[in-house]
Amino acid sequence: QVQLQESGPGLVRPSETLSLTCTLSGGSISSYYWSWIRQPPGKGLEWIGYIYYSRNTNYNPSLKSRVTISVDTSKNHFSLKLSSVTAADTAVYYCARDRDGWGQFDDWGQGTQVTVSS
Amino acid sequence: QSALTQPASVSGSPGQSITISCTGTSSDVGAYNFVSWYQQHPGKAPKLMIYDVSNRPSEVSNRFSGSKSGNTASLTISGLQAEDEADYYCTSYTSSSTRVFGTGTKVTVL
Repeated sequence: QVQLQESGPGLVRPSETLSLTCTLSGGSISSYYWSWIRQPPGKGLEWIGYIYYSRNTNYNPSLKSRVTISVDTSKNHFSLKLSSVTAADTAVYYCARDRDGWGQFDDWGQGTQVTVSS
Repeated sequence: QSALTQPASVSGSPGQSITISCTGTSSDVGAYNFVSWYQQHPGKAPKLMIYDVSNRPSEVSNRFSGSKSGNTASLTISGLQAEDEADYYCTSYTSSSTRVFGTGTKVTVL
């Protein structure tokens, strides 16, 4: 079973860009879809977007104008950038593997808390 | 895209069966058999419990089962146990190739 680990700043200032990386161990980032998912405090899960190892991407329409997901196969990791953040972007951010490309997530990182505050 | 609709809470006594519904549209739940369910305990990452509407990963108890009718999918937990107390989320593939989660259901074991 693969292991996923999110990393990045825990505090981001309003209007700046949130940047996170998800590093994979115990497997290859090739041949799967990889997603970012977030969960605001006390609220439900929200899918942010995915990247395929070939660099094909798709994003949640509500976030599309601010999101970029990229992959570095040489480092076996993929990354999230969310621009122009506000307090509403405060959440636990998870990375996850899509087991078959149909939006069914069988492996998850432990999650990382990101707070947007000045 | 709108979140799939789940009841906010469901409760049951130990040993009973409960069912959680997940209602979408003809562009997501109704269109594809790619509905999955997740269990999330407080402070933990979600865990895949059901995929492809009704399939269980090998490590998941057979007390968990899934089904679908039209635009509504369902998760049934039979023989309810204290350890089943958690939040549960459904998700579906959509006609835009995106993914959409349900609003989440808190399961309480009385």
